[in-house]
Amino acid sequence: GQQLNQSPQSMFIQEGEDVSMNCTSSSIFNTWLWYKQDPGEGPVLLIALYKAGELTSNGRLTAQFGITRKDSFLNISASIPSDVGIYFCAGNNNNDMRFGAGTRLTVKP
Amino acid sequence: DSGVTQTPKHLITATGQRVTLRCSPRSGDLSVYWYQQSLDQGLQFLIQYYNGEERAKGNILERFSAQQFPDLHSELNLSSLELGDSALYFCASSVKGSTDTQYFGPGTRLTVL
Repeated sequence: GQQLNQSPQSMFIQEGEDVSMNCTSSSIFNTWLWYKQDPGEGPVLLIALYKAGELTSNGRLTAQFGITRKDSFLNISASIPSDVGIYFCAGNNNNDMRFGAGTRLTVKP
Repeated sequence: DSGVTQTPKHLITATGQRVTLRCSPRSGDLSVYWYQQSLDQGLQFLIQYYNGEERAKGNILERFSAQQFPDLHSELNLSSLELGDSALYFCASSVKGSTDTQYFGPGTRLTVL
């Protein structure tokens, strides 16, 4: 099935820097979710968004549900080494769950 | 810890064989989802069960099947295994379905030799 367009594919940043990644789709979604996955582990839910325009924070993480319902972004502020991992966006529309290809984040101390 | 458990954590088998992966959802969750994650395909939705019945089907091969039991645990059966079936298989659960948030288990890494 069609996957979401997630960018960037990878990021190499210095500790303390802010990070931004986004997901777009040609289809609308009722829910947008952001997950983080460490190597060999399952995706862990970071933020769930349920309404168009919704802006939600979870600690240093902030995510927004695009007003068109076709996109979402995730920001990480003041990155730390443990932020390293792969971040996935997911759009859910009545049991039709699609994932982005992931953004691999590397944080240099 | 998401509350979703999966066994086994690792599985190594040969081509042509059949394996069963097991998943226990979070307490109270009625829906179970199965996903396949391979290096070149990303996370692919396979199938969803809700309260014992199949609810949605994704990119699941005919050689694969699943079921959800009365106690709500689920099993994914993979048969006539091929090299290309090597992947991480994740189970996720949610309260009901539809737009409910899904919580993922730790996965089973399947290696087909």
